[in-house]
Amino acid sequence: DQQVKQNSPSLSVQEGRISILNCDYTNSMFDYFLWYKKYPAEGPTFLISISSIKDKNEDGRFTVFLNKSAKHLSLHIVPSQPGDSAVYFCAASGAGAAGNKLTFGGGTRVLVKP
Amino acid sequence: DSGVTQTPKHLITATGQRVTLRCSPRSGDLSVYWYQQSLDQGLQFLIQYYNGEERAKGNILERFSAQQFPDLHSELNLSSLELGDSALYFCASSARTTHTGELFFGEGSRLTVL
Repeated sequence: DQQVKQNSPSLSVQEGRISILNCDYTNSMFDYFLWYKKYPAEGPTFLISISSIKDKNEDGRFTVFLNKSAKHLSLHIVPSQPGDSAVYFCAASGAGAAGNKLTFGGGTRVLVKP
Repeated sequence: DSGVTQTPKHLITATGQRVTLRCSPRSGDLSVYWYQQSLDQGLQFLIQYYNGEERAKGNILERFSAQQFPDLHSELNLSSLELGDSALYFCASSARTTHTGELFFGEGSRLTVL
């Protein structure tokens, strides 16, 4: 039972353009969402997060949007840079039945072409 | 450098064997989490410890066990190993008990079972 899904396994974008990564979730108990970035041979590193009381959070080139009614979140990277090439994981957590843990999606591999 | 140290980085062993993976959390972090990533899949939560006590449990097999010691380092023990246990095992730490903040991940221990 995949409670957090990233339906696009890969994404290729030109340098300077926008990268849009999507994530869907099924558990309505999730109330906190995060994006992690992972380079090869390294552990995931935190990128940006959003609480369910917000619908948008921005940090520099990175913006996360949350649509609770659709149980959907997205990460926008503008402008994309070659150093953004990595695997991006969305993750969710919540109280109660969602448990005291992060549930990760399967990841989206982003390639930014110079 | 996340401040989380995992050893060994690579481990090759045979089916039926037992291995121990070690994790030292960031200085001051009381929570330690273990995740498994198989074959370019998402990270699957295994177990969490907070200040020496088990706090949350995921889909951890009975053949696997973990503990957190008084100095806060943690060990994940994997026994009666099967081919399907080959994966990247990540340890993460945080200062909090819940996932409302970012986790800091180590570089992972890659286990290959032959």
